[in-house]
Amino acid sequence: NAGVTQTPKFQVLKTGQSMTLQCAQDMNHNSMYWYRQDPGMGLRLIYYSASEGTTDKGEVPNGYNVSRLNKREFSLRLESAAPSQTSVYFCASRQQGNEQYFGPGTRLTVT
Amino acid sequence: SQQGEEDPQALSIQEGENATMNCSYKTSINNLQWYRQNSGRGLVHLILIRSNEREKHSGRLRVTLDTSKKSSSLLITASRAADTASYFCATVPTGGYQKVTFGIGTKLQVIP
Repeated sequence: NAGVTQTPKFQVLKTGQSMTLQCAQDMNHNSMYWYRQDPGMGLRLIYYSASEGTTDKGEVPNGYNVSRLNKREFSLRLESAAPSQTSVYFCASRQQGNEQYFGPGTRLTVT
Repeated sequence: SQQGEEDPQALSIQEGENATMNCSYKTSINNLQWYRQNSGRGLVHLILIRSNEREKHSGRLRVTLDTSKKSSSLLITASRAADTASYFCATVPTGGYQKVTFGIGTKLQVIP
């Protein structure tokens, strides 16, 4: 039982490049989330998926797209990376009414 | 803007003392959760308190919730150096029960 896994752990991109961050959970949770964490800003919600087949915007969705591929997987795509997207990205999953379980994070630097 | 705001943003105490962190939020909630994050790691859940509960305990942790004041507090008793971490509150709004949003956190340092 691996919990929530994220790949890659580290990534460096040039401005304008694209990439997809992968997230998978093996706890059969319905809801999945993507957050970014910047110094002094706490965690800000980018997108979430309440259940398979649905996605909704969070607080800071601009510049990102998501795909809930199936119940296990929820990916985050940066179509054209910008330096402002340099951050640590966390994926989380949750069963309705309960706590969230977090992945280890992806450290992204955009130069 | 973020739903929860922790206070203080930083706290430094001696080992053995109690640490209290507060969280205020803006809208009605279904539940409130506290998480801990060690430096460079992901977040780990500590306690979840529902809107109809006023107090909850887990080991050395005590969480209170005052829905009339839209605030919660996390008390860590008899702190240890290993409690050094950042602590975040997260809220699930009434009606938007899948949308979980976090505050900016309290950075706790426990000095041995």
